Amino acid sequence: DAKTTQPPSMDCAEGRAANLPCNHSTISGNEYVYWYRQIHSQGPQYIIHGLKNNETNEMASLIITEDRKSSTLILPHATLRDTAVYYCIVRFHGSGNTGKLIFGQGTTLQVKP
Amino acid sequence: DAGVTQSPTHLIKTRGQQVTLRCSPISGHKSVSWYQQVLGQGPQFIFQYYEKEERGRGNFPDRFSARQFPNYSSELNVNALLLGDSALYLCASSLGVGGDGYTFGSGTRLTVV
Repeated sequence: DAKTTQPPSMDCAEGRAANLPCNHSTISGNEYVYWYRQIHSQGPQYIIHGLKNNETNEMASLIITEDRKSSTLILPHATLRDTAVYYCIVRFHGSGNTGKLIFGQGTTLQVKP
Repeated sequence: DAGVTQSPTHLIKTRGQQVTLRCSPISGHKSVSWYQQVLGQGPQFIFQYYEKEERGRGNFPDRFSARQFPNYSSELNVNALLLGDSALYLCASSLGVGGDGYTFGSGTRLTVV
């Protein structure tokens, strides 16, 4: 079972920031938070990941709370092309890691003009 | 550089038949993972192969099998197809087993009638 909880859907106005929340209250010390998105009829696309510090790349920012029990993915200026299902995943890093990703239901983000 | 390529893109099979799906990873990637995505759900992990050895298996029946070839390409086989096997089958490649950079293909859409 997925170790994350996300709202099923969200709307965002084009050009505004999209803030996608994720709860992972049972996350352990060796688990990272990953975000992927899936645009209709395509495979999931990696966005960003982090352990405990905030992270930023060309696509998005990831804010992880100090207790690591929740995080927020921020798309700073959402465009229509950002309409997709966004998945928050916690993944173990360490010995014996199989690399398996456990996807939940994700959040369907609809960016509106 | 080519991404992860999967073939065929679409497939229709009859119940009880067998199917083979193919995946070519990104050049230099040695790990291939397979996922099943039923309509409306997140992808579910089926297998991971690294250096031609199975490194992880999800909760799928023995009708599902896979292998990886010396050139790191992979095949997923499903025997005795059921209607419930209708799904998008996704392949992801990465440099190593626990690599951060999972790249997914666009998938094979299998319909069982």
